[in-house]
Amino acid sequence: EVQLVESGGGLVQPGGSLRLSCAASGFTFSSYAMSWVRQAPGKGLEWVSAISSSGGTTYYADSVKGRFTISRDNSKNTLYLQVNRLRAEDTAVYYCAKLAVGFWYFDLWGRGTLVTVSS
Amino acid sequence: EIVLTQSPGTLSLSPGERATLSCRASQSVSSSDLAWYQQKPGQAPRLLMYGASTRATGTPDRFSGSGSGTDFTLTISRLEPEDFAVYYCQQYGTSPLTFGGGTKVEIK
Repeated sequence: EVQLVESGGGLVQPGGSLRLSCAASGFTFSSYAMSWVRQAPGKGLEWVSAISSSGGTTYYADSVKGRFTISRDNSKNTLYLQVNRLRAEDTAVYYCAKLAVGFWYFDLWGRGTLVTVSS
Repeated sequence: EIVLTQSPGTLSLSPGERATLSCRASQSVSSSDLAWYQQKPGQAPRLLMYGASTRATGTPDRFSGSGSGTDFTLTISRLEPEDFAVYYCQQYGTSPLTFGGGTKVEIK
């Protein structure tokens, strides 16, 4: 079955860190660019970061640049997001999403992992 | 960055009715690089349309997309019970990728 499964979310204090993971299965992970998209409670979708299929090129939204780091391990079919210096406004469900070949729309989504930043 | 404005915010309709959702961009979206997603409560978004008018695999043909430049439309010809959800547009022609604020289609 083609799927993405996120993990690693939780409650963290402001200024803290987490590492989110996304396990991919059912497709050739190493052939696709991947991305993280987040959704604050009751709000819309916000693109966070993306990474090329090889991992050699990364992209970030201005809101997270310098605090978040995207990476991937193609041998483990896993995508990561290291989130540092967390703020209350980073509270959201973080979705892992697969990018279509050659285009930057999201054709497969995981179920998400909730990150709550609160003291 | 390209700002996408979706309207209306909420659409109250009955099953069987036609739904017309609008997505307006603050500047031209290159090559009609616009996608639509459907999200139901507690679920992840699901790709419905891409390239403004191409249905994704599994999208019923009652869904259609149109538009170019700055004005795009998602139409649901006859609402089925499973179509009541929130719909988002997304442009992918220009970095950063951006989403509209969503239109909620609710049962009247």
